[in-house]
Amino acid sequence: EAQVTQNPRYLITVTGKKLTVTCSQNMNHEYMSWYRQDPGLGLRQIYYSMNVEVTDKGDVPEGYKVSRKEKRNFPLILESPSPNQTSLYFCASRLAGGSQETQYFGPGTRLLVL
Amino acid sequence: KNEVEQSPQNLTAQEGEFITINCSYSVGISALHWLQQHPGGGIVSLFMLSSGKKKHGRLIATINIQEKHSSLHITASHPRDSAVYICAVRSGGNQFYFGTGTSLTVIP
Repeated sequence: EAQVTQNPRYLITVTGKKLTVTCSQNMNHEYMSWYRQDPGLGLRQIYYSMNVEVTDKGDVPEGYKVSRKEKRNFPLILESPSPNQTSLYFCASRLAGGSQETQYFGPGTRLLVL
Repeated sequence: KNEVEQSPQNLTAQEGEFITINCSYSVGISALHWLQQHPGGGIVSLFMLSSGKKKHGRLIATINIQEKHSSLHITASHPRDSAVYICAVRSGGNQFYFGTGTSLTVIP
């Protein structure tokens, strides 16, 4: 089954404790992206990647890191989480270019930073 | 700054009604997407548009590039259409900008 998976789905942590949210897709998509969703603000793009070893900042990259060492994986790293990073996070992937722009979203990760 | 504006924010309709959700954007775009987010949180892509009109079942999406405006129509609405509908635009690069969503409730 074609899908984007995220882990963990729920996470409660404390300020300053490094964490990683994993994202994996099995559709051989070049493009992957991370978003956060907050009430009243909607979805905002954090980082995206056009292919292995190619990443770029989105609208709200501060406090986040990413890496793309393999095509299928795109982890989101919070080196020193703060309460303002409490949010619902989505990973998504799609084929790059052409008319195949449909984005496939993961199920989301709810993060609470105390 | 709001690159993408949606209206209305909330919408309640009776089953069977024709529904329109509007999206206006202020940036140059390569494509516009309509997404659906169900109460459980999952997000599904409904349409990608770069011009004209697309139809899928009871859903119709249109875009007017000159006016920087798109509409999502739902014909013969059904309670299972209750969800949040989100407009998103891909800029000339690969950045995405999103509207804050329209929460639709269809009452039987």
